[in-house]
Amino acid sequence: DARVTQTPRHKVTEMGQEVTMRCQPILGHNTVFWYRQTMMQGLELLAYFRNRAPLDDSGMPKDRFSAEMPDATLATLKIQPSEPRDSAVYFCASGRSKREGDTGELFFGEGSRLTVL
Amino acid sequence: AQKVTQAQTEISVVEKEDVTLDCVYETRDTTYYLFWYKQPPSGELVFLIRRNSFDEQNEISGRYSWNFQKSTSSFNFTITASQVVDSAVYFCALSEAVWGGGSEKLVFGKGMKLTVNP
Repeated sequence: DARVTQTPRHKVTEMGQEVTMRCQPILGHNTVFWYRQTMMQGLELLAYFRNRAPLDDSGMPKDRFSAEMPDATLATLKIQPSEPRDSAVYFCASGRSKREGDTGELFFGEGSRLTVL
Repeated sequence: AQKVTQAQTEISVVEKEDVTLDCVYETRDTTYYLFWYKQPPSGELVFLIRRNSFDEQNEISGRYSWNFQKSTSSFNFTITASQVVDSAVYFCALSEAVWGGGSEKLVFGKGMKLTVNP
């Protein structure tokens, strides 16, 4: 079964530390999304890429967050410096341009749960 | 701007009851997609359905059915004869539809937590 793989699954860090989350999209998927889930805000889009090019990162605090796709098999989300308000579950999702029979769904990873103390 | 509203935040039912989850959306796009996702206690997001704005036919898949009404901007989801395994948070979502289809960014509702008790 093809899956989106995210690491780490859990991360506890102290305020001010750098955090890097990684995502391996499903092979052949050309669109990658980063979402953040919190109790207060729900699921928010942080950034997304198509064919490795950033399309929209307006949901991301630019001063401390950065998202990249060094290659087609890896997307990264970095927070530097981290703050307690960044505590959340970060989801990566991938999808692709339409093919016959595609449902157009986004396939989500299991999430990276970040706790910043 | 796109917006999805799930007015119910939490519902609790007894097994075998039918339950309907409401979803109302706002968009200026003439073509768009509507989705439902399920998030079980394990945390992953599971795709349930995508509906094109051109297609207002209701859809049934086993115990699940969806009622799309463009006139009221609603895309409601009904679970018939609910089971304990249906306990989860359910999200309604909206995306624009671009030429050729494919995956576009989703705007999610806040989710609705369903608890099905034995």
